[in-house]
Amino acid sequence: QSALTQPRSVSGSPGQSVTISCTGTSSDVGGYNYVSWYQKHPGKAPKLMIYDVIKRPSGVPDRFSGSKSGNTASLTISGLQPEDEADYYCCSYAGNFRRVFGGGTKVTVL
Amino acid sequence: QVQLVQSGAEVKKPGASVKVSCKTSGSTFTNYYMHWVRQTPGQGLEWMGVISPSGDSTTYEQNFQGRITMTRDTSTSTDYMELSTLRSEDTAVYYCAALSPGHYYFDYWGQGSLVTVSS
Repeated sequence: QSALTQPRSVSGSPGQSVTISCTGTSSDVGGYNYVSWYQKHPGKAPKLMIYDVIKRPSGVPDRFSGSKSGNTASLTISGLQPEDEADYYCCSYAGNFRRVFGGGTKVTVL
Repeated sequence: QVQLVQSGAEVKKPGASVKVSCKTSGSTFTNYYMHWVRQTPGQGLEWMGVISPSGDSTTYEQNFQGRITMTRDTSTSTDYMELSTLRSEDTAVYYCAALSPGHYYFDYWGQGSLVTVSS
């Protein structure tokens, strides 16, 4: 199972919007509405930011949103804040209990 | 509040095996599927496999087939992930991640266990 494709890095100034793409295949991202996004800081466990493509857990700011088109899912951070600087990973269900992660995207707040 | 507490850091020689544990507290242990995910230095997250709530079924990522074994002890609410024939590329932080039935995302994560493979 190949990793999902994410850009290595994205950046933006505070208040700007950034979007991270996550491209897979019809066997994972395109085949199921089960893409989740995790924020990860060094030395910390991942934190769930978006699940089931578009749903946001309680406690996650509404500036985080998710979407999907075909084999590509996206995470958008609107109104970027300094505390949003972290690595972000997408994860998709891939059938038969399997999961596949993206390679991760480093978000830098300029 | 569900908590997953993992075992401590380990240093292993190439060719050896490591067994990482993950103890669940705060909820019924057999409610969850337990997945294992690792992060190698400077790299991303990698899904390794999953064990069913009853412990009678496992699914492993193909890259680890033949080297990985996941088990669980319901009497102590503890999951185990054993990786054998270790090589330097297995140096990583290993995480357990719990998933509730019907969910397709990881509800809870352990704190991570660093495994260093070095001669």
